[in-house]
Amino acid sequence: GQNIDQPTEMTATEGAIVQINCTYQTSGFNGLFWYQQHAGEAPTFLSYNVLDGLEEKGRFSSFLSRSKGYSYLLLKELQMKDSASYLCAFYFYTDKLIFGTGTRLQVFP
Amino acid sequence: GAVVSQHPSWVICKSGTSVKIECRSLDFQATTMFWYRQFPKQSLMLMATSNEGSKATYEQGVEKDKFLINHASLTLSTLTVTSAHPEDSSFYICSARDAVEVYEQYFGPGTRLTVT
Repeated sequence: GQNIDQPTEMTATEGAIVQINCTYQTSGFNGLFWYQQHAGEAPTFLSYNVLDGLEEKGRFSSFLSRSKGYSYLLLKELQMKDSASYLCAFYFYTDKLIFGTGTRLQVFP
Repeated sequence: GAVVSQHPSWVICKSGTSVKIECRSLDFQATTMFWYRQFPKQSLMLMATSNEGSKATYEQGVEKDKFLINHASLTLSTLTVTSAHPEDSSFYICSARDAVEVYEQYFGPGTRLTVT
C-alpha cells in the first residue's frame, strides 16, 4: 500500500508564507498533484509535478523530490481565502489518483 | 474549462433504501470516471474506477454489490448506494478523466448523502 502523510492542521498569518509537506512511501507513480478543497466542495487543481524540482504558479509553488520521497506546496502572500484543506495526490499509470491525508490550513488576520 | 456536474447535490434517505447519484461530463467525453468517498475531516478515498461500456473496477474493501456503478455513455456515470445504512452517510465525489490531457481529472461538486 501507499503511506502518504501530511500534517493534519496548520495555521498562518495573512501575508505570510506557509509550506505544506507531503511525505510518502510509494513508487511507480507518474506525477503528483496538489489540490485545494474548501469545506463541502470538490477539490480544485493547483499544480502537477512530473519531474523533480519546483513548479511555480503565481502565489503557489510545488516541489517534488522522488529520491527523498517528499513534496511540498508553498503558499506565498497568504490571504484569508486560502483557508482550506490542501491535498497531495499521486497519479499512477493505472489512471488512479491516491490522495494524501490532507492538511487543513487556517489563515488568521 | 471542463465541467463535471453531479446530481443531486445533497440527499437524505431512510435506512434500507437505495439512492442513485449521477455524474455528468458537460463539455467533454469521459471514457473513465472515478468515484470517491470523503468522510468528515478526512481525505478522499477512491472507491472505484468506471469505464464506459465495461464493468467498474472496485478498490479493496469496497463492496461492489452495495455500490453499483454504471457508465452507460461517454458523459454519464451513476453510483447507486443500495440498502443504505447510516454509516454510508458521506460526501461522494466523482471525477472524469480528460481524454486529451489524460493525467488530469475534473471533479464534480460532490453529493452529500445522509442516511437516517
